[in-house]
Amino acid sequence: EPEVTQTPSHQVTQMGQEVILRCVPISNHLYFYWYRQILGQKVEFLVSFYNNEISEKSEIFDDQFSVERPDGSNFTLKIRSTKLEDSAMYFCASRFELQGIAKNIQYFGAGTRLSVL
Amino acid sequence: SQQGEEDPQALSIQEGENATMNCSYKTSINNLQWYRQNSGRGLVHLILIRSNEREKHSGRLRVTLDTSKKSSSLLITASRAADTASYFCATDRTQGGSEKLVFGKGTKLTVNP
Repeated sequence: EPEVTQTPSHQVTQMGQEVILRCVPISNHLYFYWYRQILGQKVEFLVSFYNNEISEKSEIFDDQFSVERPDGSNFTLKIRSTKLEDSAMYFCASRFELQGIAKNIQYFGAGTRLSVL
Repeated sequence: SQQGEEDPQALSIQEGENATMNCSYKTSINNLQWYRQNSGRGLVHLILIRSNEREKHSGRLRVTLDTSKKSSSLLITASRAADTASYFCATDRTQGGSEKLVFGKGTKLTVNP
């Protein structure tokens, strides 16, 4: 069964460093998302991406964050200068919209645990 | 505003018993979904119910939706130890096609063998 894959599974970085989290969405999906979950808290929306541009972003997604779909398969989240409070589990998700059917099932990757020291 | 607040926060039951988790939300929605998360793992979609539906079944799962009360419940019947996980409800509203999911804090379910 197709799945969303994320790498690495765990990333440790020093405060102020740049990190790139990578995701390979399901191949025929058109909408892509990043969410994060700080330990013990709820899953929070960061950004959605469709047709090679951001369709919506949250307040969390400030200038330190960027997303890119550099080729037909990868979807990346970059944090330019990490802060301690960026430590969290980051989830990538994708969905396929079937014309005329209002479903929004998003398929999630296993996540990347980011630890900022 | 907060969406998708689940209760209870934690639930511990014996194998074979039924588990009921509730979710409340504040704004109008298109769909409400339930996801499961095993400890430290990703989110797995369980079931989706549309705003014009009242009840849905999938295997041992039963979901109800009451849009007048802005609430939903997830019932897992004949629970198994393997059902031990956190369960989250998530809502979405059409907003320019983004359809981001707004999650609640989740219910941590423990099924004791």
